[in-house]
Parts: sequence; structure tokens; C-alpha cells
Amino acid sequence: SQQGEEDPQALSIQEGENATMNCSYKTSINNLQWYRQNSGRGLVHLILIRSNEREKHSGRLRVTLDTSKKSSSLLITASRAADTASYFCATGSGGYNKLIFGAGTRLAVHP
Amino acid sequence: DAGVIQSPRHEVTEMGQEVTLRCKPISGHDYLFWYRQTMMRGLELLIYFNNNVPIDDSGMPEDRFSAKMPNASFSTLKIQPSEPRDSAVYFCASSLVEPREQFFGPGTRLTVL
Repeated sequence: SQQGEEDPQALSIQEGENATMNCSYKTSINNLQWYRQNSGRGLVHLILIRSNEREKHSGRLRVTLDTSKKSSSLLITASRAADTASYFCATGSGGYNKLIFGAGTRLAVHP
Repeated sequence: DAGVIQSPRHEVTEMGQEVTLRCKPISGHDYLFWYRQTMMRGLELLIYFNNNVPIDDSGMPEDRFSAKMPNASFSTLKIQPSEPRDSAVYFCASSLVEPREQFFGPGTRLTVL
């Protein structure tokens, strides 16, 4: 069963614009992660935010987490055509490293 | 490190045949995960291991599916007998205890005719 639900399902923007993707989840978590998947490839880890953190940055990526609303957002600034991919949020809870992935957001960045 | 290695990359088989997918995790990683990805169901966790011991196989769809991890550097996912609805991309991933990020292999695209 899917824990995270991404919004929107698809996003189309021009190069240089910012892209924002949202993720909502249902149960309590101890961490939330974002992954990218290029067409036909495996998933690549982007960033992890723990439940006691509110914001995290990595290069052009900014992730926020609001545990009271059970939601997270991923912001990609100054997007590039190479950012075209599907983006998934995944939630972790409990003592093991099990993750539950959402359905993903398909991002298309046009030159 | 070469990353997570999966074989074969593509498998085409006929209904009723046995299929074995293989995975070599990143050396030193404590966890190994098997996922299945389809357009209809997204990315589903099938089973995962911690230190070669299966922890949770609740995602395995049926008794036709089985997974083993005989040592820290090798795991298999077996489907016997295979059915057309098993057609999907199967991913293997591994991770350390901390940090918890998972490293995915390139996947095996399975087509059951």
C-alpha cells in the first residue's frame, strides 16, 4: 500500500523556472526521503529529512517537512532540461529501513 | 564500488516457466530490498532482508514468489510458475543501517508471455 501521495501527478515547466512537488502521508514517520527516476533507470536518492527537521537544502534542492500536516515539499530551483524525471517521496518509520513510496510526480522541463 | 548489480537486465519468458532474478548489493550494506514497479501499482516493496535474514515478506504477492539471501553479497527472487501479470520491472536496493538512503540497481524488466 502507498503511504505517500504526490501532487501534482505531472508538471511541465520551462528551463529556469522553479518546480515544486508536494507529498502527503498518513501515519507517523521518522524520516522522509525524495528520489528521482529517469526513464528506464533505477531510483536515485536525492535527500533525506528526519522527523525533527523542518527544512533541508542540497544544491538546487530544498525540502520542507511539516509533521503536523503530514506533508513535505520538494523545490527544485532554476530547473534544467536534465531535471526531467519522475520524483518520488518515500516515508520511513519504525526501527528498520523499510520505505513506502508514493506514486510519483512526472516532471518535464522544456528547453 | 560498482553499485547494486542486477541480472539479467531483461527477461522474456513464457507463462508457466520459472524465473530467477539476481542481485548483488553494495558491499557492507546491511539491508537488501526487492521492489516491483508497474504503471498500475507503482513501486511496491516485496520483501526485505537485514543481515541476510528476511524481516518482512508481506508484500510478496503469492506463494509463487520466493526470495533468498544465502550470504551478504547475493540474493535471488524466484517466480514459479510465472504468469503474464508478473510482467514488471523488478528492482533490488541496498542500504546501511545509517544513513537510511537506499541505493537502487538498474532493474530487471520481466515480460511473461
